[in-house]
Amino acid sequence: GAGVSQSPSNKVTEKGKDVELRCDPISGHTALYWYRQSLGQGLEFLIYFQGNSAPDKSGLPSDRFSAERTGGSVSTLTIQRTQQEDSAVYLCASSPSGGALTQYFGPGTRLLVL
Amino acid sequence: GQQVMQIPQYQHVQEGEDFTTYCNSSTTLSNIQWYKQRPGGHPVFLIQLVKSGEVKKQKRLTFQFGEAKKNSSLHITATQTTDVGTYFCAGKNSGGSNYKLTFGKGTLLTVNP
Repeated sequence: GAGVSQSPSNKVTEKGKDVELRCDPISGHTALYWYRQSLGQGLEFLIYFQGNSAPDKSGLPSDRFSAERTGGSVSTLTIQRTQQEDSAVYLCASSPSGGALTQYFGPGTRLLVL
Repeated sequence: GQQVMQIPQYQHVQEGEDFTTYCNSSTTLSNIQWYKQRPGGHPVFLIQLVKSGEVKKQKRLTFQFGEAKKNSSLHITATQTTDVGTYFCAGKNSGGSNYKLTFGKGTLLTVNP
């Protein structure tokens, strides 16, 4: 596709359920980032992938959060046993390499945990 | 760790007035990027500054990178309603991770027509 796509665009879930968020980066982009944005807040770095490996997972808030990337392309962010404080917009971005070049953001997934 | 602070947090202007947002890093940066996020949208890259003291212009937008490479500013001349949104700066730490951008919390600009 022409840009980064994310799915679902919106997700409402009940506290305690698991959710999976998907990111399709721009074709050929080796670097992929996940961020979390709470209402009216900045971008909180979660995890960075270079290819399929994640050299930096330092931003994951707890062990309920995990992410993987397969084939150097699609990435999935999984949140287990969701809590209300997980409610936020989860943004994915990709860039041609890991040199902090321009990051191209997807539209995000709005997660609401009831 | 590295911190990037932006001020002001909010700015409301009348259409036609100028607007400036400031970005300050706790550490020296190798480069700084600016992004704009429209209400309900996602961040979109505007520009990257690399050199000490660099100034770049995009139409009514002027971007500056400080001499010490620890601060930056974005100035909009004669704001229009299309300028509404949140402006984020994002810095790459000099000597730090080669990939990680630290984002400021952004400045929300609203423009009264």
